[in-house]
Amino acid sequence: GAGVSQSPSNKVTEKGKDVELRCDPISGHTALYWYRQSLGQGLEFLIYFQGNSAPDKSGLPSDRFSAERTGGSVSTLTIQRTQQEDSAVYLCASSSRGGVGADTQYFGPGTRLTVL
Amino acid sequence: AQSVTQLDSQVPVFEEAPVELRCNYSSSVSVYLFWYVQYPNQGLQLLLKYLSGSTLVKGINGFEAEFNKSQTSFHLRKPSVHISDTAEYFCAVSAPGNTGFQKLVFGTGTRLLVSP
Repeated sequence: GAGVSQSPSNKVTEKGKDVELRCDPISGHTALYWYRQSLGQGLEFLIYFQGNSAPDKSGLPSDRFSAERTGGSVSTLTIQRTQQEDSAVYLCASSSRGGVGADTQYFGPGTRLTVL
Repeated sequence: AQSVTQLDSQVPVFEEAPVELRCNYSSSVSVYLFWYVQYPNQGLQLLLKYLSGSTLVKGINGFEAEFNKSQTSFHLRKPSVHISDTAEYFCAVSAPGNTGFQKLVFGTGTRLLVSP
């Protein structure tokens, strides 16, 4: 597609359940990023992929969070044993080169996660 | 570490009036600066970015921003706003992260409310 797509657009889950969030970057973009947007914390960086490897995972808030990217394209963010504080909008972005500060990141519409 | 401050959480303005959204940053190294806009229930869209060169940067939708190194500011301006400009605006700085990767550090956002 023309832009970054994310699914599902909304996810409601119960505390303690695992969830998977999916991101399809712009075709040909080598870099992929996950961010979290919440009321209390604003926009936070979570993880960065260059190709299939993740050189920077410094933003992942706990070991319940993990992410992978396959084929240099689709990425999945997994949250295990969800907690209420995980409720947020999870945004994915991609860029053509990555690791370069000047590179423009293109964002998807986000997945709104609600943990009851 | 780099940081971004957006002092105004909300800016109300009448249609066709000028507007300025303030952004200040702190950094001990040279940075790249960005303004993103987020319309309701959508992802972030790049308005403009400063990489180097001319300190006045023109972006989409009639917005412009001026980089002021001595003031460490990157304020966003528009001479005449429209109702459709109602959105959340985020200032961001590209900052060095782990392994040389440069991540985006965002401000807390400014909600622009344009009324007739």
